[in-house]
Amino acid sequence: QVQLRESGPGLVKTSETLSLTCAVSGYSISYGAYWGWIRQAPGKGLEWIANIDNSGLTYLNPSLKSRMTISVDTSKNQFSLTLRSVTAADSGVYFCARRDEHNCFDYWGQGTLVTVSS
Amino acid sequence: QSALTQPASVSGSPGQSITISCTGSSTDIGLYKYVSWYQQHPDKAPKLIIYAVTNRPSGVSSRFSASKSGNTASLTISGLQADDEADYYCNSYTISQTWIFGPGTRVTV
Repeated sequence: QVQLRESGPGLVKTSETLSLTCAVSGYSISYGAYWGWIRQAPGKGLEWIANIDNSGLTYLNPSLKSRMTISVDTSKNQFSLTLRSVTAADSGVYFCARRDEHNCFDYWGQGTLVTVSS
Repeated sequence: QSALTQPASVSGSPGQSITISCTGSSTDIGLYKYVSWYQQHPDKAPKLIIYAVTNRPSGVSSRFSASKSGNTASLTISGLQADDEADYYCNSYTISQTWIFGPGTRVTV
């Protein structure tokens, strides 16, 4: 059974950098598949952030592209998201997910809440 | 990137059928068979219920069905049950090699 678990700071100060990691179990990232980040602002809908495959090929949301970096570490079976110069608008629950060959997100983490505040 | 539109809310009585529409454009829904639907209960992670326009993952009830016509995808829930009360999101791959979610539809039973 594929499982994903996000980890992160919970609270980030305005203008600083948010770093999140998604640990994958039950599936080796080295096998293939694609991995992604999706977020949800409080009381709002889902927003796709980015995808990455095991070779490091990335697909980024144009609205966030200039502020983010996404990477994969096959040795640790995890992938990460870094978002710079955060504002209150970046607050919300961040989910990591596996994107399969049908371009859908079939396995999700439980989400991690990030609050951006001064 | 272009947006997908969904009705904000849909309601139905137990046992009834409801349909949620998701309208995009010729650069996303109209172009690819990569439309998926997700169910999200409060404070839970989204759950994939439909992929590749019409397909149900293993374990998802056959009461969920979906289709696509032109730039509009639709999700139908038949035999509505109390546990179907949730938010539903459509998602599509786009010509820009990005993924886009609809704004979500709150289903009330």
